[in-house]
Amino acid sequence: ILNVEQSPQSLHVQEGDSTNFTCSFPSSNFYALHWYRWETAKSPEALFVMTLNGDEKKKGRISATLNTKEGYSYLYIKGSQPEDSATYLCAFVPSSGTYKYIFGTGTRLKVLA
Amino acid sequence: DSGVTQTPKHLITATGQRVTLRCSPRSGDLSVYWYQQSLDQGLQFLIHYYNGEERAKGNILERFSAQQFPDLHSELNLSSLELGDSALYFCASSAKNLAPSVYNEQFFGPGTRLTVL
Repeated sequence: ILNVEQSPQSLHVQEGDSTNFTCSFPSSNFYALHWYRWETAKSPEALFVMTLNGDEKKKGRISATLNTKEGYSYLYIKGSQPEDSATYLCAFVPSSGTYKYIFGTGTRLKVLA
Repeated sequence: DSGVTQTPKHLITATGQRVTLRCSPRSGDLSVYWYQQSLDQGLQFLIHYYNGEERAKGNILERFSAQQFPDLHSELNLSSLELGDSALYFCASSAKNLAPSVYNEQFFGPGTRLTVL
């Protein structure tokens, strides 16, 4: 069974703080890693698709890094805003040939004004 | 608005019944994915279709089946429904411009909330 873990489970930060969270996945059989942002009562929204060891991607104040050798990806939010409040999900795709998506349970971020 | 549509928005049915959920991908997207989100579990990948062909199967029960039609819309059929099938079912689509398809970001529809009584 392939496990994808995200930490912390939830996080409260003050507006303006920078924060980061982790997605851990099996370091062998890596194919791709997806990050999603999921606001309450909405649908998941794609943030990044990470494919190569050392990948760094950025979208506005949000960025992500990938280390496939040690099996983790970090998501960073710089200068958090209340509108960043959401659940951040990662999905690991193993290279087993069947392209399944294995989701972590997410990190719930609440940014306090 | 992601451009992915799902119908119906809500569905209430009884145990033992069969339902069909429908998904229309974004214009031009060849891949359709189905996911289930239930209260006690996170988002679970069910199945992936690419241009009418099944590409990957996740935690999909034998009572569930899916297909993708020539016009690229997809249907998820759930039969012999049980209380535990109550969940939010999402479909997502992705573009064809990158291969393999797992390198493409997915666009999620608004979901269908299924309640089994």
